[in-house]
Amino acid sequence: NAGVTQTPKFQVLKTGQSMTLQCAQDMNHEYMSWYRQDPGMGLRLIHYSVGAGITDQGEVPNGYNVSRSTTEDFPLRLLSAAPSQTSVYFCASNHRGGTEAFFGQGTRLTVV
Amino acid sequence: AQRVTQPEKLLSVFKGAPVELKCNYSYSGSPELFWYVQYSRQRLQLLLRHISRESIKGFTADLNKGETSFHLKKPFAQEEDSAMYYCALPYGGSQGNLIFGKGTKLSVKP
Repeated sequence: NAGVTQTPKFQVLKTGQSMTLQCAQDMNHEYMSWYRQDPGMGLRLIHYSVGAGITDQGEVPNGYNVSRSTTEDFPLRLLSAAPSQTSVYFCASNHRGGTEAFFGQGTRLTVV
Repeated sequence: AQRVTQPEKLLSVFKGAPVELKCNYSYSGSPELFWYVQYSRQRLQLLLRHISRESIKGFTADLNKGETSFHLKKPFAQEEDSAMYYCALPYGGSQGNLIFGKGTKLSVKP
C-alpha cells in the first residue's frame, strides 16, 4: 500500500515548456486534489476532483489543467510554464465523507 | 469568505516550555477544523481534528466558536516537535479539499 505517489520529485522547466505532474493513489479514495506550497503563502488549492470524470477549480487554478479518467490517477498539466509557477506541488486524496487528507511527497518544480 | 489566519510565521521556544500555535478562522456555518504538520523531509500529515477531541503527541486544540479560534497547545515542547504546522478547514464545504493557513514554523531549542 503505497498511499499517494507523485512523480517526478524534482523538475526544472524552461519558460513556455509544458509538462504533466503525475499523482496516483492506491487507497480507492474518491477525492483527489492538487495544492501548491510557496514560502509565506502556505498551501493553496489548485484543482480538485470528487470522482472519476469530475473536476473543479480551487483557489489558484489559472495556468493549470486537470483530468480524472480513473479513480487512481489525477495528473496536473502545465501547458506553458511560467516562472510564477515555481513551487512545490502536493497531491492529496481522501474518502468521500472522510476528514483526513493523505498527501504525496511533493514535486519541486523550478521554471527558469 | 472562508479564511484561515495563522499570525505567527515562526515560533521559537526552549525544550520543556509550553507552546501555543494560534489559528483564527472565518467560516459560515459550523466549521470542521484540522491541524496538519510537516516534519523536515516528510509529507504533510494530519495531526488532529477538532471533531475527535483527541490528544496527539501531547498536542490538543479546542474550537472556540465565540473567538473563531482553534489554537494548538502543548504543555511541554520537545525538540522533535520542530516542524511546520498548518491550520486548515474545508474548502467550499467539501470535506475533500482544504483551505490552509500560511503556516507556523515551530522551532524547539535544546
